[in-house]
Amino acid sequence: AQRVTQPEKLLSVFKGAPVELKCNYSYSGSPELFWYVQYSRQRLQLLLRHISRESIKGFTADLNKGETSFHLKKPFAQEEDSAMYYCALIKGVGKLVFGKGTKLTVNP
Amino acid sequence: DAGITQSPRHKVTETGTPVTLRCHQTENHRYMYWYRQDPGHGLRLIHYSYGVKDTDKGEVSDGYSVSRSKTEDFLLTLESATSSQTSVYFCAISESGSANSPLHFGNGTRLTVT
Repeated sequence: AQRVTQPEKLLSVFKGAPVELKCNYSYSGSPELFWYVQYSRQRLQLLLRHISRESIKGFTADLNKGETSFHLKKPFAQEEDSAMYYCALIKGVGKLVFGKGTKLTVNP
Repeated sequence: DAGITQSPRHKVTETGTPVTLRCHQTENHRYMYWYRQDPGHGLRLIHYSYGVKDTDKGEVSDGYSVSRSKTEDFLLTLESATSSQTSVYFCAISESGSANSPLHFGNGTRLTVT
């Protein structure tokens, strides 16, 4: 079954420290993976997707098929990065399966 | 931001009453979705639509029904609300449903069933 696992419910780092939000997946075939972010009291928004290999707000994510992972990384965390982060993969046409989310807190 | 409007934004209702949530889009996108967001569960797909009158179930569809009579509107109905349906409901849209057309979300509807 297609599944996304985010092992950390909460993650707390200090400003300027590196941050890595973990995401593992199970999927038969070539997965299409995304990271979505939800800032406090705002709608979910796309942060990045692996097919575009882009860097958004300093975040990057590399698909590792051997480890079935798509971890989100940023070398220097900022306070405004504090948010809820969701990893997701596409199952079939247009159906996104989400992980349970990781709440990131960046302390001053 | 994508033109997605959810109504109402907040709703408190009693157990056993019917409730309808509305999602309206101005983007003319083909795909529309209803998710619920619960602590510890993330977002779970309730139902989705791939065109007018074309809908299908998601992973947590029991107790919910949907209708899409126009491209721009996708309605979610709780036939007889239960306390377990207290949640935040998000509508989302996608132009093609592919990885090149990611989901855009509405602001959510917070539903409380007492």
